[in-house]
Amino acid sequence: QKEVEQDPGPLSVPEGAIVSLNCTYSNSAFQYFMWYRQYSRKGPELLMYTYSSGNKEDGRFTAQVDKSSKYISLFIRDSQPSDSATYLCASIRNSGNTPLVFGKGTRLSVIA
Amino acid sequence: EAGVAQSPRYKIIEKRQSVAFWCNPISGHATLYWYQQILGQGPKLLIQFQNNGVVDDSQLPKDRFSAERLKGVDSTLKIQPAKLEDSAVYLCASSLAAGRINEQFFGPGTRLTVL
Repeated sequence: QKEVEQDPGPLSVPEGAIVSLNCTYSNSAFQYFMWYRQYSRKGPELLMYTYSSGNKEDGRFTAQVDKSSKYISLFIRDSQPSDSATYLCASIRNSGNTPLVFGKGTRLSVIA
Repeated sequence: EAGVAQSPRYKIIEKRQSVAFWCNPISGHATLYWYQQILGQGPKLLIQFQNNGVVDDSQLPKDRFSAERLKGVDSTLKIQPAKLEDSAVYLCASSLAAGRINEQFFGPGTRLTVL
């Protein structure tokens, strides 16, 4: 079992829809949870991160972590064509030099 | 602020040949990472440097891959000899320091095709 599992999609939604992207993880030691966005032919860029359980909101994006079920979610409200990209979840343990563990990424297309 | 620079952007080689990739991190970033991203997968860490010292190379296939970061700035990643399964995008990232939430900034990657 991979440490971070993510449905690769692809996911296609109409403009303005609410998008829900999800990951599960298996390592109880993970404390920090990140969402990266990767446009085609580009490197990933950090969208937002959360520590432990709870919600974090940034504009149209909301990240949610439920540690009891080891479930990570990213919600995008009022989705735009410019949101079309691959979204990668990643987790890291609560110690300084351990590596980020990425999911496979979910490819999202927002259709105008 | 200039981002992470990588070259070349694309490389096509035949199996058993050698190849090298170059990375210039963001100025002042002490930590540098090399990732391998196979098509349809998330990035996998190959090696992490703190200044010019190796912090983690546990997932680097050391029989064929090598990396160095002389002078604690630029870095090169080499594959010798290449195999078909090395076809991937090689991403370089840097961060101000190592740590849980020190944001990693990624370069555009080098897309390697091994024929």
